[in-house]
Amino acid sequence: GENVEQHPSTLSVQEGDSAVIKCTYSDSASNYFPWYKQELGKRPQLIIDIRSNVGEKKDQRIAVTLNKTAKHFSLHITETQPEDSAVYFCAASWAYKYIFGTGTRLKVLA
Amino acid sequence: EAEVAQSPRYKITEKSQAVAFWCDPISGHATLYWYRQILGQGPELLVQFQDESVVDDSQLPKDRFSAERLKGVDSTLKIQPAELGDSAMYLCASKSQQETQYFGPGTRLLVL
Repeated sequence: GENVEQHPSTLSVQEGDSAVIKCTYSDSASNYFPWYKQELGKRPQLIIDIRSNVGEKKDQRIAVTLNKTAKHFSLHITETQPEDSAVYFCAASWAYKYIFGTGTRLKVLA
Repeated sequence: EAEVAQSPRYKITEKSQAVAFWCDPISGHATLYWYRQILGQGPELLVQFQDESVVDDSQLPKDRFSAERLKGVDSTLKIQPAELGDSAMYLCASKSQQETQYFGPGTRLLVL
């Protein structure tokens, strides 16, 4: 069946360094790829998304890249700050259906 | 800014009891999702509605779970009887015709 693999499961970086989280999807019909940030005990919040007709999108310190051929997409966070510490989920979507990755716990060390 | 509402936020119940969760999506959002999220994992779809119709309930354990969205607005998810393994966060989400999906705060269920 359809699935989304996400790596790494945990990631620790020093404040100010960059963080990269990678996802791979299986269904070539996927055409929308959102990223969510979930802080402890809170709802997942959309932080950035990309559609299949775009290779890269950037919003301040956050960027997402998509390689449709390889079915890979990645989240890049630059100049990390302690408030970036959270669990990040990727998802692949088509026809209103979303498949989520297993999450990456990011810890930004001060 | 409009948000998805859910209640209750927390629920503790004993196994074999019935529980019900409520979700009110963002006004005008035709698509509504119920997800189950086990600690440390990503959300897993239980059921998806388009207006009042079920679009996908392939992962819903229908022997004990039921969901309805009678008027195509708010929705209820029920578990009867609850089992220990049902302890999880139950998230509701909604979306408009655009693809952005917005989550509610979730209901954390603990089955004793």
